[in-house]
Amino acid sequence: DQQVKQNSPSLSVQEGRISILNCDYTNSMFDYFLWYKKYPAEGPTFLISISSIKDKNEDGRFTVFLNKSAKHLSLHIVPSQPGDSAVYFCAASGRTYKYIFGTGTRLKVLA
Amino acid sequence: DTAVSQTPKYLVTQMGNDKSIKCEQNLGHDTMYWYKQDSKKFLKIMFSYNNKELIINETVPNRFSPKSPDKAHLNLHINSLELGDSAVYFCASSPTVVTYEQYFGPGTRLTVT
Repeated sequence: DQQVKQNSPSLSVQEGRISILNCDYTNSMFDYFLWYKKYPAEGPTFLISISSIKDKNEDGRFTVFLNKSAKHLSLHIVPSQPGDSAVYFCAASGRTYKYIFGTGTRLKVLA
Repeated sequence: DTAVSQTPKYLVTQMGNDKSIKCEQNLGHDTMYWYKQDSKKFLKIMFSYNNKELIINETVPNRFSPKSPDKAHLNLHINSLELGDSAVYFCASSPTVVTYEQYFGPGTRLTVT
């Protein structure tokens, strides 16, 4: 039972444009959400997070939006840069402190 | 300075063997984790230790045994390796058990032949 889903395995975006990565979840008990970025042969690195009491969190070029009623979150990267090319994982956690990860979306930013 | 390190980076071994993967963090964190990323790219938690105490133990075969000699180290020992154990194993740490952001090591790619 896949509780966190990233339905787009890959995404290509032109440099300077907006990248939008999507994530859906099924468990209404999740109250904290994170995005990680992963380069090949490296471990995931934390990017940005959002608590369920918020619907938006911004950090520089990265903004995460949370729609609790739709059980959906998205990561916006503006403007996209070639160095943003990586696999992006969303993850969700509830009171068990366990993270459930999505399968990732591979973002390619074209120069 | 490597924050979370794992050794070895690659491990190729035969079915039935016993192997260990070591993890060390120099961040002073209290909590450490082991994750498995399988061929479908699912990243699943296996174990978590907080101050050397096991706090998360997912449904993992008992051939997998974590050991935390101190809070900076969390090793993973695997007995009687099977083909299905082939995966990338990631170690991670977080400042406390209630801190959501985790810091991951580079991963260990285990191949069982």
